[in-house]
Amino acid sequence: DADVTQTPRNRITKTGKRIMLECSQTKGHDRMYWYRQDPGLGLRLIYYSFDVKDINKGEISDGYSVSRQAQAKFSLSLESAIPNQTALYFCATSNSGTADQPQHFGDGTRLSIL
Amino acid sequence: QKEVEQNSGPLSVPEGAIASLNCTYSDRGSQSFFWYRQYSGKSPELIMSIYSNGDKEDGRFTAQLNKASQYVSLLIRDSQPSDSATYLCAVNKFEIQGAQKLVFGQGTRLTINP
Repeated sequence: DADVTQTPRNRITKTGKRIMLECSQTKGHDRMYWYRQDPGLGLRLIYYSFDVKDINKGEISDGYSVSRQAQAKFSLSLESAIPNQTALYFCATSNSGTADQPQHFGDGTRLSIL
Repeated sequence: QKEVEQNSGPLSVPEGAIASLNCTYSDRGSQSFFWYRQYSGKSPELIMSIYSNGDKEDGRFTAQLNKASQYVSLLIRDSQPSDSATYLCAVNKFEIQGAQKLVFGQGTRLTINP
């Protein structure tokens, strides 16, 4: 079983719809992240959370919101989807405590907005 | 100037040769550096981490760090077709109040030719 699980894996929806992407982890990490990846633009951070009561905006948070329901769960919402939000979305986790903790990624959600 | 810069490639290397991937970063305070491999349509996979100046070897992979020049590289010896992927450089960046996050480069696409 994957340590970082994203659902759904693929989603096609229409402009204006509300969409939720979910991420759950069994790694016991306290930090969780949401990224989007577009061709030629690399990974861009949307939101991140260092614990259940901590939510921080990343570099491209406009049009997105998040909820950290528990240490193991971090969901990303698009309140009113638009076509330029079509991308590959990744959830990642890391541990706190020292400065050198790498991030571990889920398998991604491919989202298409028509 | 981008926080983390990589040549997007494509970099083409014959099978059995050494592939050399380079990355520069702008934050002199960065202390942790990571290389991820990403196959097309898949999630990034951590392959190397390095924290001190010099070389770190792991099998066919060697990471090199020069903090004075703000430069980190990845060498892949005896390149195999299975090494064909996009390689992402990630650098730890300190935020206010001691928070830290990773900043990713755009990635270098590597192709190993049989």
